[in-house]
Amino acid sequence: DIQLTQSPSSLSASVGDRVTITCRASQSISPYLNWFQQKPGKAPKLLIYAASSLQVGVPSRFSGSGSGTDFTLTISSLQPEDFATYYCQQSYSTPRTFGQGTKVEIK
Amino acid sequence: QVQLVQSGAEVKMPGASVKISCKASGYTFSGYHMNWVRQAPGQGLEWLGWINPNSGATNYAQKFQGRVTMTRDTSINAAYMELSRLTSDDSAVYYCARDGTPTGGLDYWGQGTLVTVSS
Repeated sequence: DIQLTQSPSSLSASVGDRVTITCRASQSISPYLNWFQQKPGKAPKLLIYAASSLQVGVPSRFSGSGSGTDFTLTISSLQPEDFATYYCQQSYSTPRTFGQGTKVEIK
Repeated sequence: QVQLVQSGAEVKMPGASVKISCKASGYTFSGYHMNWVRQAPGQGLEWLGWINPNSGATNYAQKFQGRVTMTRDTSINAAYMELSRLTSDDSAVYYCARDGTPTGGLDYWGQGTLVTVSS
């Protein structure tokens, strides 16, 4: 199985901050890397697919980059509604594993 | 608009089985794989498998092989996930999610079904 390791596991940030979350895969998975946002009690929401493609309706402050085994989710200017947990997921092979999550909290 | 509506919460005894439904609307049901993902309380996301609604072909995570069965009914645009031999470790919210992008991004999700396994 492909292992995904996210870092950090949690972070504190202020509104307006630039936030970066990384996801490292145990083998090359380009470009089959997706990013999700999840708020408490809600289903995950797809933000980025194919490593860097912005899902329809997602604000442009979210961006994804990376290739091979190393990927990044960036929020260019953190907004109040962005405080949530973020997960990466690989769709290169089954089982389609998820990272352990990164919780973004208010500083 | 695309919608996935799941069946309601379930409480089951250890050793029992649970079957959850996911009713799709707003798109061609047979055109997209349906995935099942679960989340234990306070934990991360775990993929159980997918079903191709067109052919009925399935792909299960090895961890659940022999315990999970995914089926579909194309006449009513519904997918089902049955998990047997439940233990307390299976207590979780179970989601269905459509495989909606060319590279396997899960673009629409059901609202989740809470399964509680308790004696």
